[in-house]
Amino acid sequence: NAGVTQTPKFRVLKTGQSMTLLCAQDMNHEYMYWYRQDPGMGLRLIHYSVGEGTTAKGEVPDGYNVSRLKKQNFLLGLESAAPSQTSVYFCASSYLRGPFSLFFGEGSRLTVL
Amino acid sequence: KNEVEQSPQNLTAQEGEFITINCSYSVGISALHWLQQHPGGGIVSLFMLSSGKKKHGRLIATINIQEKHSSLHITASHPRDSAVYICAVGLNFGNEKLTFGTGTRLTIIP
Repeated sequence: NAGVTQTPKFRVLKTGQSMTLLCAQDMNHEYMYWYRQDPGMGLRLIHYSVGEGTTAKGEVPDGYNVSRLKKQNFLLGLESAAPSQTSVYFCASSYLRGPFSLFFGEGSRLTVL
Repeated sequence: KNEVEQSPQNLTAQEGEFITINCSYSVGISALHWLQQHPGGGIVSLFMLSSGKKKHGRLIATINIQEKHSSLHITASHPRDSAVYICAVGLNFGNEKLTFGTGTRLTIIP
C-alpha cells in the first residue's frame, strides 16, 4: 500500500523559478491538504481540497496555487518562488472532513536560493 | 485561534523508562490528534481522541476536556520510539481547522 506519495522529495530552486509538487493518494480519500513545516513552528495549512475539482485557502495561502483535477492527486504550485518559501512541505489526506485520522506523505524539502 | 503548548520541548530518557508528553490548549476543542514524526521526516497519526483514553500497544493517550490538557504516555520505552511527537487540536471536527503544536523531541538512549 503506497498511501500518500509526494514528489519530488527534494528540490532546489532559484528565486523567481516555478515548480509543482505532486501529492498522490491511493486510499480514495475525499479530503487532501498541503502543509508547510518551518523550524520552531507547528505545521501550517496552505490549501486544502474537499473533493475532486475543489480547492480552498488555508492559513498561509499567499504565493501558492493548487489544483485537484483528479480525486487521487493534489498539486501544489509555486509560480515565482521566494526564499521565504524554503520549507518542508507535507501533503495529507483524510477519508472525510473529520474526525478522521490524517495520513501524511513523507515530505518534500524545498530550498529557494 | 487556538494556542497549543507542548511540554517538554525536548526529552531524553533511558530505554525502558515511562515517558509522558503533555499538550495544553487554550480553547475548547472537538478533537485532538497525536502524531509521530520520524527522524527521516515522515509523519504518522497515532491517535485521535475527543474524550477519555485510548491505547495502542505501548502508547496511551488521555485527554481531560475540562482542564484542556492531553498526555501521551509511552511504557517500556525503546530507542525506536525516538521521534518528534506532535499534538494538534481542532475547534470543530474539520481537519482543515487543526492547530498544531511545535512538537516534543524524544530521544531514548539504549
